[in-house]
Amino acid sequence: GAVVSQHPSRVICKSGTSVKIECRSLDFQATTMFWYRQFPKQSLMLMATSNEGSKATYEQGVEKDKFLINHASLTLSTLTVTSAHPEDSSFYICSARDLGLAVGQFFGPGTRLTVL
Amino acid sequence: GENVEQHPSTLSVQEGDSAVIKCTYSDSASNYFPWYKQELGKGPQLIIDIRSNVGEKKDQRIAVTLNKTAKHFSLHITETQPEDSAVYFCAASSGGSYIPTFGRGTSLIVHP
Repeated sequence: GAVVSQHPSRVICKSGTSVKIECRSLDFQATTMFWYRQFPKQSLMLMATSNEGSKATYEQGVEKDKFLINHASLTLSTLTVTSAHPEDSSFYICSARDLGLAVGQFFGPGTRLTVL
Repeated sequence: GENVEQHPSTLSVQEGDSAVIKCTYSDSASNYFPWYKQELGKGPQLIIDIRSNVGEKKDQRIAVTLNKTAKHFSLHITETQPEDSAVYFCAASSGGSYIPTFGRGTSLIVHP
């Protein structure tokens, strides 16, 4: 089946540093990848949609200069949290849409970010 | 935009009982309704989905029903097992982008 991986699964960093999270589709090509954040006991909030080779589309209220998204290939998208602060601590989840499917998306296992 | 309401927020059942989670949506143009199961510390996993051209879909112990007129859809789990314990999210999406709007989630607890 379709598998999406994320790396790292867990990261702890100091306030002011930048953190990069990778999202890979392992056995399919993904023209579109999505980035979500999820606070404890809450639903998934879409941050941005990224299409391979073009700029990401950010949801209202999401700072594009703080959450840098790069989708350089059909199997890899990265999210960089720049100058992280404690309020950025969250569970970040990516998902990918299979190029061959019209609907649906497959989620990665998530990355737990803790900013001290 | 789309608004998805999900109830209940918490559901506690005994092993072997059935569990039903209900969702409503606001956008009549929505035509794809996936359900996801999320275990603690993991990403959501698609468990079943339904498109607007059918009213019911079943996969072993899991079934989903859709009422387009009333704009609501439900997840039914029969013969629940402790490993069914997780948070379940419904979602609705439409159009060419098929970007889903998620419900708030239901924490299902199955007691052995």
